[in-house]
Amino acid sequence: KQEVTQIPAALSVPEGENLVLNCSFTDSAIYNLQWFRQDPGKGLTSLLLIQSSQREQTSGRLNASLDKSSGRSTLYIAASQPGDSATYLCAVPTLLNAGNMLTFGGGTRLMVKP
Amino acid sequence: ETGVTQTPRHLVMGMTNKKSLKCEQHLGHNAMYWYKQSAKKPLELMFVYNFKEQTENNSVPSRFSPECPNSSHLFLHLHTLQPEDSALYLCASSHQSETQYFGPGTRLLVL
Repeated sequence: KQEVTQIPAALSVPEGENLVLNCSFTDSAIYNLQWFRQDPGKGLTSLLLIQSSQREQTSGRLNASLDKSSGRSTLYIAASQPGDSATYLCAVPTLLNAGNMLTFGGGTRLMVKP
Repeated sequence: ETGVTQTPRHLVMGMTNKKSLKCEQHLGHNAMYWYKQSAKKPLELMFVYNFKEQTENNSVPSRFSPECPNSSHLFLHLHTLQPEDSALYLCASSHQSETQYFGPGTRLLVL
């Protein structure tokens, strides 16, 4: 059974810092990995989707990398801003299941202080 | 604002009540999902519908009953819930196995 772990569970940084969020998964038989953002009490917004054939994806100040062999992904946020404060979730489908069954990590709650 | 809407946004119900959550997607997707998000637990997949057919039931108790009358609408019928069922219920949709788009959720409190 796929398990997804995110470290750290919470992170507080001053504005302007570059930071890295970590995601690890136990079953490397995935064909993509997604990073989502969730604001308090709201739904999820997809940030980046990395296909298993890719090493990384970039969108603005966000860069996500994927290392399937080691079961890890990182989300790099450059020059953090207070508006980046949210919970960041990673999720993977498993090839052995229906491709659209996602397993989520517990999330990293990020606070960027002005 | 996403193309996935959920109603109601907030719901308080007693353990003997029957209520329904509604989800509607305007994205032309063919797959829809119900997730449960409890405090201090990872987001949990409950049900998956592909082309209106239920393809996954992730060991969900029978007091939760999904219904998908067409590819744009998804319901979650609730009856005789327990206080531990209080959570944020999120609906999502996707085109097959591509990126899932989430609604804003229904915050449910069971008294």
